Amino acid sequence: AQSVTQLGSHVSVSEGALVLLRCNYSSSVPPYLFWYVQYPNQGLQLLLKYTTGATLVKGINGFEAEFKKSETSFHLTKPSAHMSDAAEYFCAAYSSASKIIFGSGTRLSIRP
Amino acid sequence: GAVVSQHPSRVICKSGTSVKIECRSLDFQATTMFWYRQFPKQSLMLMATSNEGSKATYEQGVEKDKFLINHASLTLSTLTVTSAHPEDSSFYICSARSAGGIYEQYFGPGTRLTVT
Repeated sequence: AQSVTQLGSHVSVSEGALVLLRCNYSSSVPPYLFWYVQYPNQGLQLLLKYTTGATLVKGINGFEAEFKKSETSFHLTKPSAHMSDAAEYFCAAYSSASKIIFGSGTRLSIRP
Repeated sequence: GAVVSQHPSRVICKSGTSVKIECRSLDFQATTMFWYRQFPKQSLMLMATSNEGSKATYEQGVEKDKFLINHASLTLSTLTVTSAHPEDSSFYICSARSAGGIYEQYFGPGTRLTVT
């Protein structure tokens, strides 16, 4: 079955530190990949997406992700965490059934 | 950018009553809309997919008679939770996709339903 796996349900980093949120997808899904952010009691906001072309994708708020086909990964990074980055992050993939499959989510906490 | 709205943002209803949630695409035509349910601290679960003018396609395990979905126009889809019970309390999120946006969906802000 097609799947998206996020390693780590909760990640905590210090303000100013590197943020790394991990995502792996099953190779059976087409390589159309997304990262979304969700703030409490809000909908999802698209951070970035990979469809074709350059494997390093830059998104909003200083986030970027690299598509690595050999590792079936699409990890999200940000060089320097800000307090406002605290939120829930979802990795997602576009499935062959024309639907988006979501990972289980990673809650990012930022320590002052 | 593409904006999707939901109304209401929060609703409290009594057990046994029905509640309707609206999802609108404000600046594009949504040929396909999706309804998700999200439990606390969990991911989004796709409930159904609807295409304008046709019946919704429900995911396995979702009761289509309980969760009525109507996609009557290219900018509006509604989800009606019929005979709501406390276990239906959840966060419901819709998303919309335009005819040209094959891979991308735009999400609404969500509706918090509480059934007492």
